[in-house]
Amino acid sequence: NAGVTQTPKFQVLKTGQSMTLQCAQDMNHEYMSWYRQDPGMGLRLIHYSVGAGITDQGEVPNGYNVSRSTTEDFPLRLLSAAPSQTSVYFCASRPRGYYGYTFGSGTRLTVV
Amino acid sequence: AQSVSQHNHHVILSEAASLELGCNYSYGGTVNLFWYVQYPGQHLQLLLKYFSGDPLVKGIKGFEAEFIKSKFSFNLRKPSVQWSDTAEYFCAVNPPGSGGSYIPTFGRGTSLIVHP
Repeated sequence: NAGVTQTPKFQVLKTGQSMTLQCAQDMNHEYMSWYRQDPGMGLRLIHYSVGAGITDQGEVPNGYNVSRSTTEDFPLRLLSAAPSQTSVYFCASRPRGYYGYTFGSGTRLTVV
Repeated sequence: AQSVSQHNHHVILSEAASLELGCNYSYGGTVNLFWYVQYPGQHLQLLLKYFSGDPLVKGIKGFEAEFIKSKFSFNLRKPSVQWSDTAEYFCAVNPPGSGGSYIPTFGRGTSLIVHP
């Protein structure tokens, strides 16, 4: 009963490097989303998915890619890291219907 | 434009004081409403939600919220706060979306500090 698992918990990248933030859920949830949390900005939606093979952009998608090949996994790829991407990233999932989100514990990313 | 507004960015209370955090949204039509809490160093957790029915919703840990459709508001309340309620509180709204995807928009959050 792990819920939503995010890895890594912390990461430091150099400008221009690429990396993938992992997100996995074991609740068979159809909906998954990636948010970034910045001080004073709340949570902003990066990308979301309403099922395997279906993804769409959120409010701040630039510089990020996603894919959803399985129901369980929803990785977030940073293509070429920039200092503006320094943030805390949260993955969340929920089932279809009238439910709130279950959040992962977050990844704190620093780009230097 | 911000579609979900939380008026209070920082609130400081003493234990046993009453709490009310404001949340307003700018969407028309049917919306779904949520309050989430984020304790220091932790992830967001769902406090309560409103989809339909009784506009007074009771959540976990003694919190409640009232949906007032005419005011586009969903304020969070607690009669008597505790030191352990120190956290950041986020209002979220599922706008009338396409295809039933209902991806919520979050407010910017309210930081609550409760002094013992």
